[in-house]
Amino acid sequence: NAGVMQNPRHLVRRRGQEARLRCSPMKGHSHVYWYRQLPEEGLKFMVYLQKENIIDESGMPKERFSAEFPKEGPSILRIQQVVRGDSAAYFCASSPRSGYQETQYFGPGTRLLVL
Amino acid sequence: AQKVTQAQTEISVVEKEDVTLDCVYETRDTTYYLFWYKQPPSGELVFLIRRNSFDEQNEISGRYSWNFQKSTSSFNFTITASQVVDSAVYFCALSEANGGSEKLVFGKGTKLTVNP
Repeated sequence: NAGVMQNPRHLVRRRGQEARLRCSPMKGHSHVYWYRQLPEEGLKFMVYLQKENIIDESGMPKERFSAEFPKEGPSILRIQQVVRGDSAAYFCASSPRSGYQETQYFGPGTRLLVL
Repeated sequence: AQKVTQAQTEISVVEKEDVTLDCVYETRDTTYYLFWYKQPPSGELVFLIRRNSFDEQNEISGRYSWNFQKSTSSFNFTITASQVVDSAVYFCALSEANGGSEKLVFGKGTKLTVNP
């Protein structure tokens, strides 16, 4: 059973460019979560999605960041007009259902470096 | 508001020593879940344990054990006879059962170094 897949594993962007991070949940999982880990810090929740729905985006910056989880295909975290402060590791997690605080299984992360 | 505190930023031990990683949490909910994750130097996050607030039994899994004390809002993690491969950053996390969102609130992590 393949785990959570994230790509790319490393992404380098120049200031002002767009970054697209992809996440494929574990087979059978329909809930996706995105977290950001800044250097020397713990993980901070960004957004929680189910297929075609954003359930909780309370941790998403108001501007430049968006997320989607379409009916078909991976979940995408998009960062427009990146700035140096966006440099971080972005982790995606998935779980099988809601309402039971199921374990979230994490992908390997995408390390974003903004030059 | 939820909060998780891991007061130990870094711990260094010698192989075969026992080590305890502390985790203290704050929540207003009576139903909640606690987790521990391991982040080795390779960077991925590995799930270790999930515990709900109604189950205060201690858990043991091989060299790992967890002590959940509701009275002190603590969920401490002990590694017995540590090994070099245990070197990692360990995160404690909390999730509340109410409110619709199932986000995890993480502590800042404890970096454990096990020296040969």
